[in-house]
Amino acid sequence: QLQLQESGPGLVKPSETLSLTCTVSGGSISTSSYYWGWIRQAPGKGLEWIGNIFYRGNTYYNPSLKSRVTISIDTSKNQFSLKLTSVTAADTAVYYCARHGRQVVRARYYYSYIDVWGKGTTVTVSS
Amino acid sequence: QSVLTQPPSVSAAPGQKVTISCSGSSSNLGNNFVSWYQQFPGTAPKLLIYDDNRRPSGIPDRFSGSKSGASATLGITGLQTGDEADYYCGTWDNTLSAVILGGGTKVTVL
Repeated sequence: QLQLQESGPGLVKPSETLSLTCTVSGGSISTSSYYWGWIRQAPGKGLEWIGNIFYRGNTYYNPSLKSRVTISIDTSKNQFSLKLTSVTAADTAVYYCARHGRQVVRARYYYSYIDVWGKGTTVTVSS
Repeated sequence: QSVLTQPPSVSAAPGQKVTISCSGSSSNLGNNFVSWYQQFPGTAPKLLIYDDNRRPSGIPDRFSGSKSGASATLGITGLQTGDEADYYCGTWDNTLSAVILGGGTKVTVL
């Protein structure tokens, strides 16, 4: 059974970089059937999609975060990672890593539904 | 403010049916599939519906999805107290080239 596990610091200082890693177990990350990505949820708020990545390195990002976000992948370790720069208190949230499933629309592939989620990790931005 | 619009809350008595709407545009729902997620407090969301109306293995048929144009609907029949949760819709947006998620709807069983 595929499992995703987030890891990284739970506390980050303002203006610094938030770094998280997602380790995938029970299946290979090197597959053309899925993208791998990040979603976050601020306290008491809804879900916010951050971005995702293909095993070959292709990425898509939320336009509102794009200038600060980098998602990378390490197929040798079956891991992918998130870096968010210049964090503020507004970046305090539970961060989920997740697998995105493939859909075919008019002969084009899209990866938008999220079928496997990690348990989430809480990141607080505070000095 | 989310690109996909959901009502903040819906409610119904046990055994009844509720529907949750998700409204978008031709840039997203009008031309792409919708998915739906269920989230209990303090836990990760779970996929309920994908490709507009398909249920993953293990999701009861009390949950159903439909879509017409740029609007989608999640239906829950035979409402149970265990269905009290937040529900989110999601899809791909062709203009943004991004996954977009609705603001979420809280379901309350009266």
